[in-house]
Amino acid sequence: QSALTQPRSVSGSPGQSVTVSCTGTSSDVGGYNYVSWYQQHPGKAPKLMIYDVSKRPSGVPDRFSGSKSGNTASLTISGLQAEDEADYYCCSYAGSNIWVFGGGTKLTAL
Amino acid sequence: EVQLVESGGGLVKPGGSLRLSCAASGFTFSTYSMTWVRQAPGKGLEWVSSISSDSTYIYYAHSVKGRFTVSRDNAKNSLYLQMNSLRAEDTAVYYCARKYISNYWFDPWGQGTLVTVSS
Repeated sequence: QSALTQPRSVSGSPGQSVTVSCTGTSSDVGGYNYVSWYQQHPGKAPKLMIYDVSKRPSGVPDRFSGSKSGNTASLTISGLQAEDEADYYCCSYAGSNIWVFGGGTKLTAL
Repeated sequence: EVQLVESGGGLVKPGGSLRLSCAASGFTFSTYSMTWVRQAPGKGLEWVSSISSDSTYIYYAHSVKGRFTVSRDNAKNSLYLQMNSLRAEDTAVYYCARKYISNYWFDPWGQGTLVTVSS
């Protein structure tokens, strides 16, 4: 199972919106509505930000939203804040109780 | 508070073995599936293995199948990963994470334990 494809980095100014893409195949992202997104600050554990493509866990700001079209999922952060600077990873269920992650995207708040 | 604490990492020679543990607290451990995910230095996340709440169902990534064994002890609220025939490419921080039986995401995660395979 190949890793999902994410841009290595994205950036934006505080207050702007940024989008991180996550491209897979019809066997993972395109085949299931089970994409999740994780935020990871340096030296810290990953934190769940979005699940089931577009649902936000309790406590996650509504600035974070998720969507999917075909084999590509996206995480959008509106009103970018300095504390949003982190690595972001997408993850998709790939059937047969296997999960695949993306390579990660480094978000820089300019 | 839900908490997962990994332990057991360290330096091991290629071909060696190591057993990781994950101590769970703050929730009913026996009702959740559990998962191991690893992250090589400076790299992305990689799903390693999952185990159902009662150990009936166990799954492994191709990269570790036949070398790693996941297990759990619900009486001790603990998850384990026995790693044999270790290779340099197994060097990573290993995280345990919780997964509810009918869900497809992992939350929360432990802080991780570093495994270094080197001669």
